[in-house]
Amino acid sequence: EVQLLESGGGSVQPGGSPRLSCEASGFTFSNCAMSWVRQAPGRGLEWVSGISGSGHSTYYADSVKGRFTISRNNSKNTLYLQMNSLTVDDTAVYYCAKYQAFTIFGVVIDFWGPGTLVTVSS
Amino acid sequence: DIQMTQSPSTLSASVGDRVTITCRASQSISSWLAWYQQKPGKAPKLLIYKSSTLESGVPSRFSGSGSGTEFTLTISSLQPDDFATYYCQQYNSHLFTFGPGTKVDIK
Repeated sequence: EVQLLESGGGSVQPGGSPRLSCEASGFTFSNCAMSWVRQAPGRGLEWVSGISGSGHSTYYADSVKGRFTISRNNSKNTLYLQMNSLTVDDTAVYYCAKYQAFTIFGVVIDFWGPGTLVTVSS
Repeated sequence: DIQMTQSPSTLSASVGDRVTITCRASQSISSWLAWYQQKPGKAPKLLIYKSSTLESGVPSRFSGSGSGTEFTLTISSLQPDDFATYYCQQYNSHLFTFGPGTKVDIK
């Protein structure tokens, strides 16, 4: 059974730098590209970042480029999101999600974790 | 970036109704379109990908169609478990974009 479990959320001040983690199980982690998708309270879904199965290729939405860094440790089956220079607009539930294949091109996201809430507030 | 729109934004329906949601892309995305269902406080769940391919385990009352810029999600006979918000998403570009969602509620 595929499982994704996010951690690292909570309340942070503007300008803060939390790191989110996502522990994966139930599938061959290194065979799947991974992603972070966020959802602000009461709002829709926004793709944030993606990373290939090897970790060699990374991609970002314009809204987070230069502030967020996605990475993975395939030996630990864990995905990360380093978030820097946070603003109130980054307040959201952050979902860890897996792609159907090694690459993110032409491949759909087929499973999501339950999410972790990041609240940016002074 | 590719922009996605959905209509209607809210849909009131009864159990047993046939329901259709429309999704439009700002440019052609071939058939690179997925549909997700989300219930309050829960993660989205994949229903359909590549416009019309049903994800494993999803009931056959869900179906998708379309290509290019216009797509539809149809629920042939709405069930109590189907009251939720539905999102379309394009993956023609690696910069995924989602539609704003369609909330299906009880009439």
